[in-house]
Amino acid sequence: DGGITQSPKYLFRKEGQNVTLSCEQNLNHDAMYWYRQDPGQGLRLIYYSQIVNDFQKGDIAEGYSVSREKKESFPLTVTSAQKNPTAFYLCASNLGVNYGYTFGSGTRLTVV
Amino acid sequence: KQEVTQIPAALSVPEGENLVLNCSFTDSAIYNLQWFRQDPGKGLTSLLLIQSSQREQTSGRLNASLDKSSGRSTLYIAASQPGDSATYLCAVRPGDSNYQLIWGAGTKLIIKP
Repeated sequence: DGGITQSPKYLFRKEGQNVTLSCEQNLNHDAMYWYRQDPGQGLRLIYYSQIVNDFQKGDIAEGYSVSREKKESFPLTVTSAQKNPTAFYLCASNLGVNYGYTFGSGTRLTVV
Repeated sequence: KQEVTQIPAALSVPEGENLVLNCSFTDSAIYNLQWFRQDPGKGLTSLLLIQSSQREQTSGRLNASLDKSSGRSTLYIAASQPGDSATYLCAVRPGDSNYQLIWGAGTKLIIKP
């Protein structure tokens, strides 16, 4: 079955640590996205990538980094520079501008 | 700047009722509007995508309409079931953006058996 796989489902980060969230898709989608979801707020875009080896900052990129070395993979690193990383992180993909989005099941990150 | 609002934030109705969820946006220049469903602690499931040239889309018991001139979209759910309980989100792709989506905060729907 085609879809997006996010791992891990739950992740705990200590102060000062970098952590990496995995996102893999087998839908042959060109575009991939990372969103952050906080309670009572709309989703906010962190980074997006339209093609391999290219990505752009979204609205809240500070403290995050990404790579797009393969079409199928778009990992997100939450660095120690992100001061409030506790949130639900969602990865998504689509074929392009006029197509709908497919989302992964999310990773819940908690700072301990 | 495009803003998307969903009212009410929460809604509770008895099973079997037909209901309407609302989504409003401030700028009528959009590419498309998409409705999603999110179950607690889960990712989003795409329900319906309406292109700017379309007036409505239907999937099973769901019907989404789009009125760009008034900046509104509605999601109609017929014969509601307890399994429809979830948070429903709408998102707009602005006309001046290739990849950005502007999201509403969602309506939490509870269907009482």
